Amino acid sequence: DTAVSQTPKYLVTQMGNDKSIKCEQNLGHDTMYWYKQDSKKFLKIMFSYNNKELIINETVPNRFSPKSPDKAHLNLHINSLELGDSAVYFCATSPGRRTGELFFGEGSRLTVL
Amino acid sequence: KNEVEQSPQNLTAQEGEFITINCSYSVGISALHWLQQHPGGGIVSLFMLSSGKKKHGRLIATINIQEKHSSLHITASHPRDSAVYICAVSSQGAQKLVFGQGTRLTINP
Repeated sequence: DTAVSQTPKYLVTQMGNDKSIKCEQNLGHDTMYWYKQDSKKFLKIMFSYNNKELIINETVPNRFSPKSPDKAHLNLHINSLELGDSAVYFCATSPGRRTGELFFGEGSRLTVL
Repeated sequence: KNEVEQSPQNLTAQEGEFITINCSYSVGISALHWLQQHPGGGIVSLFMLSSGKKKHGRLIATINIQEKHSSLHITASHPRDSAVYICAVSSQGAQKLVFGQGTRLTINP
């Protein structure tokens, strides 16, 4: 039973489309994150939620909108996709509000054509 | 310059060799993480430490807070250790991680 699961694992779409990536965790952790890994494998935080409350919102275009319907889910919706959005998106969780040990999902590779 | 710098960026070694990967950072931190990313893409947390040394199997992580430096050592390296190793720090007072650029390790049989 996967602790942090993301869907879909692969997503290929056209520029201008709207898409969503879903993340679910069964660890009971309070904090969930979205990270973006670019083509050079560099990881950067996008968003962090603690108990459904947004606590970190890095300089991310407002085309990206996270949604946390409950503590176990953090979804990422992207509007008007651009070529530069192509990347691997990782969901992660940690037990508490201050960054503890991280548990990552397997990543969702988004390719925008 | 990135707040977290790793060296080397790429490392190739023979099976059995002792491996050291270095991480230097420029900010005050509350904790430092070592992560492993295999070619398949998944990321696994290896260590989280704020002082001293931790050991897990053949992996050892050390941190020197005064020098703002951490090392990850692998003893008796094996081809299955081939992966990208990523250092990340959580700044004091911040609730996010800042990542190094990663070190790509290849262990040849």
